[in-house]
Order: sequence, then C-alpha cells, then structure tokens
Amino acid sequence: KAGVTQTPRYLIKTRGQQVTLSCSPISGHRSVSWYQQTPGQGLQFLFEYFSETQRNKGNFPGRFSGRQFSNSRSEMNVSTLELGDSALYLCASSLEASGRRYEQYFGPGTRLTVT
Amino acid sequence: GESVGLHLPTLSVQEGDNSIINCAYSNSASDYFIWYKQESGKGPQFIIDIRSNMDKRQGQRVTVLLNKTVKHLSLQIAATQPGDSAVYFCAENMGYSGAGSYQLTFGKGTKLSVIP
Repeated sequence: KAGVTQTPRYLIKTRGQQVTLSCSPISGHRSVSWYQQTPGQGLQFLFEYFSETQRNKGNFPGRFSGRQFSNSRSEMNVSTLELGDSALYLCASSLEASGRRYEQYFGPGTRLTVT
Repeated sequence: GESVGLHLPTLSVQEGDNSIINCAYSNSASDYFIWYKQESGKGPQFIIDIRSNMDKRQGQRVTVLLNKTVKHLSLQIAATQPGDSAVYFCAENMGYSGAGSYQLTFGKGTKLSVIP
C-alpha cells in the first residue's frame, strides 16, 4: 500500500506570494492533518480534515487554510507569505479508528523557503 | 537531507549499547503517548505507543516507560544500530478536541547519533 505523498517536495517563494501544498493520504484513510516543523518551534499542529470538513484547528493565523476533497486528498494554502513561514510542512493521514487511538502516518513533507 | 532541528538535545551512543531518550509531557490529562522517529529527509515514523493505564510497553528492540506521577516518558532502544540515528519525538494525545477529533502535541525532539 502506498504511503502518504506530498507535492511538491521543495518550493521557493517570495514574501507576499501565496502557496498551495498538496497531500494524498494512504488509501482508505479519511483523516488528514497538517503540521508545520521549524527548528525553533518543532512540530506544530495546523489543522485536521475529515470527510471534507475541518474538525480541528491549531493556533495559526487565518493566512493558513486548507481543504479536503471527496477522495480525501487535501491541500493547504498559505497567503501573503512571510519569512517566518519557511518550514517543513508535513501531512499525516489516519485511519479513523474506534476509541481514542490516534496513530498518524506522515508523508515526507514539503520544504518551503520564503525569500 | 532535511534539517529538523538545529538546537536539539543530542545523545551519542556507541553501536551495540542501549539508548535511553527522555521526554517530559505537559498535560496530566493526556491518556495516549507515541514515540516517532524522523530520519533526515523523511517524515516522522511511528515507533511505539502506550496508553496511560500502562507503565511499560515493549516492541522489537524498543521499550517505552511511562511515569504519570512526574509526567515523564522514556524510550529505550536495545543494541543501538547505526540505522537508529535520527531525531526522536514524543507526542501526547491532548484529548478530545470536539467533533470526533483528537489532537497530538509533539515534544521538541532528541537527536540520536550512533557511533560505529
């Protein structure tokens, strides 16, 4: 079974631009979460989607948004890019399971550099 | 490869020795904990998990210990190998966040370097 895929792997943008990142979850997984990883802050939760609905959102400004399609693929968008948005953006998918188990499978990430 | 942390605590061990990586978690109400391994250029990879009703769980060459009294989690790796070199993260389930969602909060990570 193929793992989580993310495109593109690397991206360079200029301040003020916007960017869209894509994530394809593991087949059958309906929950997709996005994380930002930086050396200073570590892994920080952005948001989670399930069945095309945002279920949970982290503490990020409104410039960060996302969506999920009917095939569970997800995109995240960052508008008006700032230098501080330079980070590794990770997508994780999860098979919705009973109880409180929450095992996530991560993709390789998209390295975004803002200049 | 990807740089996942420039200021991470680092643990250096000789090949064949046992490694112990520690993590302090923040929420006494957290009931589920996971250890992830992240190699350069890759996303985090699930290693082992433990529920709060347990204090120890063993996997293949790995053991997780949970001390709820002091909110401490540790990962023990037996007979450490060069392939174990990576950044290790602990994550805690912060509990139900509404609408069927559970949110994980990750620690800062520890870099493990295995000396051949």
